[in-house]
Amino acid sequence: ETGVTQSPTHLIKTRGQQVTLRCSSQSGHNTVSWYQQALGQGPQFIFQYYREEENGRGNFPPRFSGLQFPNYSSELNVNALELDDSALYLCASRPGTGGAYEQYFGPGTRLTVT
Amino acid sequence: DAKTTQPPSMDCAEGRAANLPCNHSTISGNEYVYWYRQIHSQGPQYIIHGLKNNETNEMASLIITEDRKSSTLILPHATLRDTAVYYCIVSPNYGGSQGNLIFGKGTKLSVKP
Repeated sequence: ETGVTQSPTHLIKTRGQQVTLRCSSQSGHNTVSWYQQALGQGPQFIFQYYREEENGRGNFPPRFSGLQFPNYSSELNVNALELDDSALYLCASRPGTGGAYEQYFGPGTRLTVT
Repeated sequence: DAKTTQPPSMDCAEGRAANLPCNHSTISGNEYVYWYRQIHSQGPQYIIHGLKNNETNEMASLIITEDRKSSTLILPHATLRDTAVYYCIVSPNYGGSQGNLIFGKGTKLSVKP
């Protein structure tokens, strides 16, 4: 157990809908990253939040957006869902933006788009 | 794209050492080698990381070649619970957006009784 929690565990949505996924970071961690993991692939970096600001983004379109709150928890929002958005969504937290820190991953949210 | 190359799968007998290789021939001087593993339906779990010296912790040992172009993760006494996908990742050792991890497809390690 890493102390990083995600909700919901599973979710089924219809193409075109919007979805919000939530992540609570480990205590003391002010940096949260989100990853998308398609079946059979490694996780792909979506974006990162540090002290409530997005400060890094992978190759994902603007319909993927996020928020970080003062308690460092975070949300991932996906608009206009497409079938290819079906994946395991992982969040990871770490204590700051410097140093030899390993990332602590949550168990993920399994999103299915039909 | 991932900067590492790993075999797609490996088998290991329970109780024996598992040696997982990784090639990272284009690694930069400021990049560390990280190893994570992902047990089925769970989030990735940090194992170990290193720059140029060999490293050991309670989970594993990391052997990095002198030219830093390859490394080997060693699980000294593999158990059935070590069955997982193992990811070798190179990344700068600082934060910001560059501190995030670029995963490849990893090596599927199957530990057999």
